[in-house]
Amino acid sequence: QKEVEQDPGPLSVPEGAIVSLNCTYSNSAFQYFMWYRQYSRKGPELLMYTYSSGNKEDGRFTAQVDKSSKYISLFIRDSQPSDSATYLCAFSHGSSNTGKLIFGQGTTLQVKP
Amino acid sequence: NAGVMQNPRHLVRRRGQEARLRCSPMKGHSHVYWYRQLPEEGLKFMVYLQKENIIDESGMPKERFSAEFPKEGPSILRIQQVVRGDSAAYFCASSPQDRGYGYTFGSGTRLTVV
Repeated sequence: QKEVEQDPGPLSVPEGAIVSLNCTYSNSAFQYFMWYRQYSRKGPELLMYTYSSGNKEDGRFTAQVDKSSKYISLFIRDSQPSDSATYLCAFSHGSSNTGKLIFGQGTTLQVKP
Repeated sequence: NAGVMQNPRHLVRRRGQEARLRCSPMKGHSHVYWYRQLPEEGLKFMVYLQKENIIDESGMPKERFSAEFPKEGPSILRIQQVVRGDSAAYFCASSPQDRGYGYTFGSGTRLTVV
């Protein structure tokens, strides 16, 4: 079983739609849960991070963590063509001095005008 | 405030040559991480360095790959005797401390081995 599972898509939605992106994980030692956005030919950019179960909102983005089910989600409201990118979930063990993030494969999102 | 700077952006090497990838972390960041992104795969951790120290190199291939972060100057990822399978995007990230989140990534170096 992979440590992190993420559907690679691609996911195509019309402008204005609500987008739901998901990852499952198997390692209960993960303490930080992150979402990165990566545009083509660019480096990943941190969108949101959280360390607790529940929801965290930032503008049009909501990150949701369910530790009991080992499942995290990213919701994008009122999606825009500029949201077209690859979205990567990432996990870490916290400040355990390892410096290692474990990434999902990434989901490619296309928002059509 | 410049972000994480990586150069070159693109690097072409023939099989058997050496590749040297450079990374200058953000100002004030003393922790550097290298990741590799192969086609159709996610980012994979390679190595974590602090100034003059390798903290975790568990993701580095055992042979041909090495990394350093000297007291002065950028961090260097060195690949000796490159093979076609080394073709990938190599990303560097930095952080002010290793707190498990909040790493800032550079734009990457795309290595092509011909």
